[in-house]
Amino acid sequence: DAKTTQPPSMDCAEGRAANLPCNHSTISGNEYVYWYRQIHSQGPQYIIHGLKNNETNEMASLIITEDRKSSTLILPHATLRDTAVYYCIVRGSAFNDYKLSFGAGTTVTVRA
Amino acid sequence: DTGVSQDPRHKITKRGQNVTFRCDPISEHNRLYWYRQTLGQGPEFLTYFQNEAQLEKSRLLSDRFSAERPKGSFSTLEIQRTEQGDSAMYLCASSSKTVTGELFFGEGSRLTVL
Repeated sequence: DAKTTQPPSMDCAEGRAANLPCNHSTISGNEYVYWYRQIHSQGPQYIIHGLKNNETNEMASLIITEDRKSSTLILPHATLRDTAVYYCIVRGSAFNDYKLSFGAGTTVTVRA
Repeated sequence: DTGVSQDPRHKITKRGQNVTFRCDPISEHNRLYWYRQTLGQGPEFLTYFQNEAQLEKSRLLSDRFSAERPKGSFSTLEIQRTEQGDSAMYLCASSSKTVTGELFFGEGSRLTVL
């Protein structure tokens, strides 16, 4: 019952911006978009989340379309350490929808 | 370090043996989760605790699996009579009960059943 669709893989060049797309056409009005990443042999790491406004933190920016049916995670200056699997997840308020359901994610390879 | 810690990081066992994993969540987090991840797949939800109460168990959690969280602090996940199909990474996560409640994961415990 995946709520998101992501490309299976993508490459990007070191130092360039990496733009990771995610489709969530069935998202409900009270559902958030979360991004996590998982570097090889490590646990998933929280990156960012948003409801309807664009968000930015020290790791990335999240751009959500006005209709909320898709979003893009932007890594502004990709480094080799950003090579990982990136998961886009839709979830409601954590008061009622406490768990995260992971799909297959996008395997991002940053090349020198 | 005040993150989620898991022990052991790696466990190799023979089929039929019992294994136990421990998770110490972030101290102020009252929610705790166990996930399982096999090679090439995303993490799959196993079970969820709010304080000491186990509020949800996935159908993936067969009768050979049991999880506890006594006193609402650390948690253990025990697998009895291990099978080769139990080989996986077992991930623990914790979160606080806020409206966004981000999950913070540990590094995982990798189980290999021979």
